[in-house]
Amino acid sequence: KQEVTQIPAALSVPEGENLVLNCSFTDSAIYNLQWFRQDPGKGLTSLLLIQSSQREQTSGRLNASLDKSSGRSTLYIAASQPGDSATYLCAVEPNTGNQFYFGTGTSLTVIP
Amino acid sequence: NAGVTQTPKFQVLKTGQSMTLQCAQDMNHEYMSWYRQDPGMGLRLIHYSVGAGITDQGEVPNGYNVSRSTTEDFPLRLLSAAPSQTSVYFCASSATHSRVFYGYTFGSGTRLTVV
Repeated sequence: KQEVTQIPAALSVPEGENLVLNCSFTDSAIYNLQWFRQDPGKGLTSLLLIQSSQREQTSGRLNASLDKSSGRSTLYIAASQPGDSATYLCAVEPNTGNQFYFGTGTSLTVIP
Repeated sequence: NAGVTQTPKFQVLKTGQSMTLQCAQDMNHEYMSWYRQDPGMGLRLIHYSVGAGITDQGEVPNGYNVSRSTTEDFPLRLLSAAPSQTSVYFCASSATHSRVFYGYTFGSGTRLTVV
C-alpha cells in the first residue's frame, strides 16, 4: 500500500520568505502527484498536478517538482503572504489507479 | 456556480441510525469519489465510481454503500451509524482521460457526528 508522508507537520514563517514543503511516497509506480490547499473548515483546492512523465509544474508563485525514482516531491512557495496560510496536502495516484493516497498535510502559517 | 455540491454540511446521528450524504456535480465528470478525513490520518477513500452504473470499493468501505444512477449524483449511505464513523466526509470528482486525472474538484464537506 502506498504511504505518503509530509514533513514538517507544521511550519511558521514571516511574510516574504521563500519556503519548501516536502512530500515523500513509498512506491514510485505512480501516474501523477497533486498538491492541494485546504483552508480551515473547507474542502480541498487543487494547486498543481504533475504527471509521472513531468519533472515540475509552475503556477504563479508556486512550483512543484517530482522525483519519482527517489519518491519525493517538493512544493516551493515564493515570497510567502499571510493569505498562503493553510494546510497543504500532497496526493499520489498509483499505477493501479482510480484513487489518490493523501499525506496528512503541512499546516503553514505566514506571519505578517 | 459549477462545482461539487454536498449536503448536508453538518449532521448529528444517533448510533444505529441510517442516513444518506448527497453529492452532485455539474461538470460532467466521469469519476466521482467519497473520502473521509480524520485527524492525523489524512483522507482515505471510501468508494469511487468511474461512470454511471459503475462503483467500486476504496480503502475503508465497510459500513457504507454507494450507487451511481446518473453522471451527476453519487450519494453515500451509512447503513447503521457507529461512533467510529464520526468524521468529515468529502466528495470529489474529476474528468479523466487515459487514466490521468484533470482538475480534481472537492466539495466543501459534511461534518458528521455519531453519538
